[in-house]
Amino acid sequence: RKEVEQDPGPFNVPEGATVAFNCTYSNSASQSFFWYRQDCRKEPKLLMSVYSSGNEDGRFTAQLNRASQYISLLIRDSKLSDSATYLCVVNFYGGSQGNLIFGKGTKLSVKP
Amino acid sequence: DADVTQTPRNRITKTGKRIMLECSQTKGHDRMYWYRQDPGLGLRLIYYSFDVKDINKGEISDGYSVSRQAQAKFSLSLESAIPNQTALYFCATSDFEQGPDTQYFGPGTRLTVL
Repeated sequence: RKEVEQDPGPFNVPEGATVAFNCTYSNSASQSFFWYRQDCRKEPKLLMSVYSSGNEDGRFTAQLNRASQYISLLIRDSKLSDSATYLCVVNFYGGSQGNLIFGKGTKLSVKP
Repeated sequence: DADVTQTPRNRITKTGKRIMLECSQTKGHDRMYWYRQDPGLGLRLIYYSFDVKDINKGEISDGYSVSRQAQAKFSLSLESAIPNQTALYFCATSDFEQGPDTQYFGPGTRLTVL
């Protein structure tokens, strides 16, 4: 079975903190990488794609290390509204033939 | 209105009963998926369909069947429900032209099999 592994947490951090999540994937031929966010009892929603050169979206920075098969998500200046479960997601085959493999998620709780 | 809807949102049933979960989308996407989510196991793919005439098994299709009645509708059936099918079920859509990796999820159906 293709695997995507994440630290389940929970990560409990104060507002304003910087927090990083890590993820590893088993298939070196994987093509596409993502972070999804899932609020409690809600559906997952795409947070951001992860590109080879790394990418940033506001307070969120995603990094990919293909050699180590490792993906990271950094959240700066944490807000209460960032509390959620963050899912690492990989398309193992890429393009039109593949399907997404979801990690089990890392739970983040941001406290006042 | 939501782009991806699921009915029912909650269902309690008994072992051996036939159950159908329905999914509709107004996004015009060609691809649709059914997942289940269990605590500690994450999201797992049950079935997926790339168009109306295309049905494919996912990782955990045993005990389930699907029907793609139209581009906008994809239903999941449990022919004879069993307690270990108790889970949160999500439907999702994506579009080949817009990028098949971005999936849009419905709100989920919470199914309990007694």
